[in-house]
Amino acid sequence: QITLKESGPTLVKPTQTLTLTCTFSGFSLSSSPEGVGWVRQPPGKALEWLALIYWDDDVRYSPSLGTRLTITKDTSKNQVVLTVDNVGPMDSGTYFCAHSGLATFRAVNRRFFDYWGQGVLVTVSS
Amino acid sequence: DIQMTQSPSSLSASVGDRVTITCRASQNMNRYLNWYQQGPGKAPKLLIHSASTLQSGVPSRFSGSGSGADFTLTISSLQPEDFATYYCQQTFSFPYSFGQGTKLEIK
Repeated sequence: QITLKESGPTLVKPTQTLTLTCTFSGFSLSSSPEGVGWVRQPPGKALEWLALIYWDDDVRYSPSLGTRLTITKDTSKNQVVLTVDNVGPMDSGTYFCAHSGLATFRAVNRRFFDYWGQGVLVTVSS
Repeated sequence: DIQMTQSPSSLSASVGDRVTITCRASQNMNRYLNWYQQGPGKAPKLLIHSASTLQSGVPSRFSGSGSGADFTLTISSLQPEDFATYYCQQTFSFPYSFGQGTKLEIK
């Protein structure tokens, strides 16, 4: 059974770096075709895809956050870490990590988020 | 980047109703389309992937269709637990964008 859980600070000051950890079980991020991603949701607003890391260290980021995002993995600890640099009030919201599932049909691979953590609410305020 | 537009943004319906939510992509993306359900204060839950494949454990009253740039999510007979917000997501190309959501409320 796959489970994920986010952890990190609930309050961060503007201009600081936000560091969030996703601790998971039920799969190994050193094995194909596993992946873990991050999605955030400002209060009362829609989901926003942020970043994704695959078993082979391929990483992808949302261009809207530019170079402020970094995603890394520690396979020995079953953890994925997301850092957001130079945070501002617009970075407040709930941050979710999720397992990237894969379905293959007629040699076509399609991805989706099939397991999610409960989310962690982060507020950016001085 | 691919833009995803859902309609309607909100919808009022009654238990037992059949409802349809539409998701339109800014470009053709084959069937790289997923649907999620999110209850208040909860994490999203995958309902359908690859446009029409029902995720394991999801009731059969949920169905998805479409290809190219136009997709629909249909709930054949609304149940009380279905009142939630629904999101589509494309995984055709990065960034894997979501629609703005459709809030389904009780009439």
